[in-house]
Amino acid sequence: SNELTQPPSVSVSPGQTARITCSGDALPKRYAYWFRQKSGQAPVMVIYEDSKRAPGIPERFSGSNSGTMATLTITGTQADDEGDYYCYSADTSDDYREMFGGGTRLTVL
Amino acid sequence: VQMVESGGGLVQPGGSLRLSCAASGFSFSTYWMTWVRQAPGKGLEWVASIKEDGSERHFVDSVKGRFSISRDNAERSLHLQMNNVRADDTAVYYCVAGGWVWGRGTLVTVSS
Repeated sequence: SNELTQPPSVSVSPGQTARITCSGDALPKRYAYWFRQKSGQAPVMVIYEDSKRAPGIPERFSGSNSGTMATLTITGTQADDEGDYYCYSADTSDDYREMFGGGTRLTVL
Repeated sequence: VQMVESGGGLVQPGGSLRLSCAASGFSFSTYWMTWVRQAPGKGLEWVASIKEDGSERHFVDSVKGRFSISRDNAERSLHLQMNNVRADDTAVYYCVAGGWVWGRGTLVTVSS
């Protein structure tokens, strides 16, 4: 399958832990990446190669990939973390394709 | 470090458009380059990628045979030639370097 599935929305209270999941058949064999997009802005990489934080990303962001599901976890969520989060992976086999999940809107209530 | 897209605008169905992206502040020739698009109010969609030396090019199924991607490492530029465009090609098009550097995007609107 060439699809990555994310929940459309996740809501948390400030200071709580937010978890955004991404499921797909390609994930056991390929790295997952996470991007955040704030309204009117270009996306920014948050997590690369499953669990590595991109430069400048706070330590409260972490990633994991187990089996067919990748998870982005934000511990101690802050209002500034609101935005749309997209997972991404690539299948570089003979049938090359790159794919984004549908995106998850994170709301900090 | 930045990339600046240009070339977007209004085009009629069946028409053509050439998007360009100018890179600066990083080692352009060492990155796979990618075009990603985002239809109004929708999510991100991978469109096309090209290897560092241009020897590999890949496209999402919906644009195969209509779009082509090219790069000029000497000029630090990336291009997307869009032919036979359709209404569902309407989107903001971002150029992306290895996932790390994103341009601000250029809007392509396909409408009669």
